[in-house]
Amino acid sequence: DQQVKQNSPSLSVQEGRISILNCDYTNSMFDYFLWYKKYPAEGPTFLISISSIKDKNEDGRFTVFLNKSAKHLSLHIVPSQPGDSAVYFCAAIGGTSYGKLTFGQGTILTVHP
Amino acid sequence: NAGVTQTPKFRILKIGQSMTLQCTQDMNHNYMYWYRQDPGMGLKLIYYSVGAGITDKGEVPNGYNVSRSTTEDFPLRLELAAPSQTSVYFCASSSTGYGQPQHFGDGTRLSIL
Repeated sequence: DQQVKQNSPSLSVQEGRISILNCDYTNSMFDYFLWYKKYPAEGPTFLISISSIKDKNEDGRFTVFLNKSAKHLSLHIVPSQPGDSAVYFCAAIGGTSYGKLTFGQGTILTVHP
Repeated sequence: NAGVTQTPKFRILKIGQSMTLQCTQDMNHNYMYWYRQDPGMGLKLIYYSVGAGITDKGEVPNGYNVSRSTTEDFPLRLELAAPSQTSVYFCASSSTGYGQPQHFGDGTRLSIL
């Protein structure tokens, strides 16, 4: 049972344009969401998060939007840069999970110069 | 600033062998986690710990054991290696179980042949 889903395995974007990565979840107990970025041969690194009491959180070029009614969140990267090319994971926490993250499958983002 | 350190980075085991994956963190974090990542999949939680002497099972604990005798160290033990345990293993830590991002090590790539 995949509780967090990233339905796009890959995304290709031109440098300077917007990248939009999507994530859907099914567990209504999830109330804190995170995006991680992962380069090959490295561990995931934290990018940005959002609590369910908000619908938007912004950090520089990165903005995360949360639509609780649709159980959907998205990560916007504007403008996209070649260094943003990586795998992006959506993750969720909720309930009595002691911080246990439930991850999506990941989306490979490629930003072309 | 070391953060979370995992050793070894790579290992090849024969079926039935045992080994311990080491994880240490220098951030004085109470919460520590072990995940595995299979190709094309998100990370899945194996075991976690909320403090020294306290551990609990995650989503995929079968075939693994953990211990937490100190705040810094959280080793993962494979007793009888099986091909299904071929994966990349990530250790992570966080200061709290909720609301703070987890910091990941760079992973151990394990092959069981």
